[in-house]
Amino acid sequence: DAGVIQSPRHEVTEMGQEVTLRCKPISGHNSLFWYRQTMMRGLELLIYFNNNVPIDDSGMPEDRFSAKMPNASFSTLKIQPSEPRDSAVYFCASSSTRGEAFFGQGTRLTVV
Amino acid sequence: QQQVKQSPQSLIVQKGGISIINCAYENTAFDYFPWYQQFPGKGPALLIAIRPDVSEKKEGRFTISFNKSAKQFSLHIMDSQPGDSATYFCAASGAGSYQLTFGKGTKLSVIP
Repeated sequence: DAGVIQSPRHEVTEMGQEVTLRCKPISGHNSLFWYRQTMMRGLELLIYFNNNVPIDDSGMPEDRFSAKMPNASFSTLKIQPSEPRDSAVYFCASSSTRGEAFFGQGTRLTVV
Repeated sequence: QQQVKQSPQSLIVQKGGISIINCAYENTAFDYFPWYQQFPGKGPALLIAIRPDVSEKKEGRFTISFNKSAKQFSLHIMDSQPGDSATYFCAASGAGSYQLTFGKGTKLSVIP
């Protein structure tokens, strides 16, 4: 298995633009997580899906952020409109076993 | 509220020395405590994990010590090597939950 695949690896966008981050979890994993990593706040859980259903989105910072998981093999995280303070590395992770999450390589987002 | 507190923020250890990273948690519902290792440009990867029914778990040069009454756990890296230089995260999850709460990370540098 190729592991968790995220795209793009790097994204530079202008403030106010829409940004869509994509994730393909490991086949057979029933849980998917989106995390945001910054120097100041560390790893923050944004949203957690189980069997394609959002279970906990309390970490989503505000309404500008939305996430979908239309099927077991694909998820998106969208930011609209983007702001400079959204600049961070966004990780997708998937899991089939409690506590053992497999992370993708991340998407480094820069909003200028 | 930060549920998992990790220290130190950074650590410099001589090659061959012992690296020790500490974590403390507040939520007594946590019952699974993994450690993740992250190299620059990569996502975190599971290193070793422990459940509170044991006080210690060892895998090669890596050992977790767990103190349930103090609500603390630590990672010990014996015979530290330059290749161990990375950021280490402690984490915790609660009964029946796939969600992980991460500490803020410790950047370890092992110098020759």
